[in-house]
Amino acid sequence: DAKTTQPPSMDCAEGRAANLPCNHSTISGNEYVYWYRQIHSQGPQYIIHGLKNNETNEMASLIITEDRKSSTLILPHATLRDTAVYYCIVRAPVNAGNNRKLIWGLGTSLAVNP
Amino acid sequence: SAVISQKPSRDICQRGTSLTIQCQVDSQVTMMFWYRQQPGQSLTLIATANQGSEATYESGFVIDKFPISRPNLTFSTLTVSNMSPEDSSIYLCSVDPWGQGDYGYTFGSGTRLTVV
Repeated sequence: DAKTTQPPSMDCAEGRAANLPCNHSTISGNEYVYWYRQIHSQGPQYIIHGLKNNETNEMASLIITEDRKSSTLILPHATLRDTAVYYCIVRAPVNAGNNRKLIWGLGTSLAVNP
Repeated sequence: SAVISQKPSRDICQRGTSLTIQCQVDSQVTMMFWYRQQPGQSLTLIATANQGSEATYESGFVIDKFPISRPNLTFSTLTVSNMSPEDSSIYLCSVDPWGQGDYGYTFGSGTRLTVV
């Protein structure tokens, strides 16, 4: 699975959009981009994933560049409860012979400030 | 999505003893995963547990130290054996609720273990 690079920390004002970047320049054609977050003292929580098209759900939007070498997770109106470590992971689908393991980096520690 | 109940949430244990961590899922799942998260670090996969077969351990983790049981499709335990202070970590279980591996995984809330 391709490696990802994320900034170690970011700040965001409450009510503003939080844009979290992820670089995955070695991503393969069949690898998906996944985002999880981990709020302090809790287990990770799945946010969103995508292949090449932009995706949106009730939690966030995922913007993937046309060359798929980077992506951005957008929290449109960040709240204090969005303070967490955000992880970007790339992985091929299971039917491509990949196992179900996730390889975790250190993520981005997002602080939402009042 | 599945809901996981993980117990205990935290414990302080004496070195040389063992602790068994339980994960109960509210639906049947094929695969369960056990992770360790050392202080200030990211998650490291310990093993993958399938019902009815031996767990598959990752490099650096052995069955004698981290025995795993998976008696049915909703339950698993991880035991941390002969503990030392280096085993102080958060231990997490995780499942693939969709059974397909291509969607989001669900995690338990974790067990914060301190070995003294």
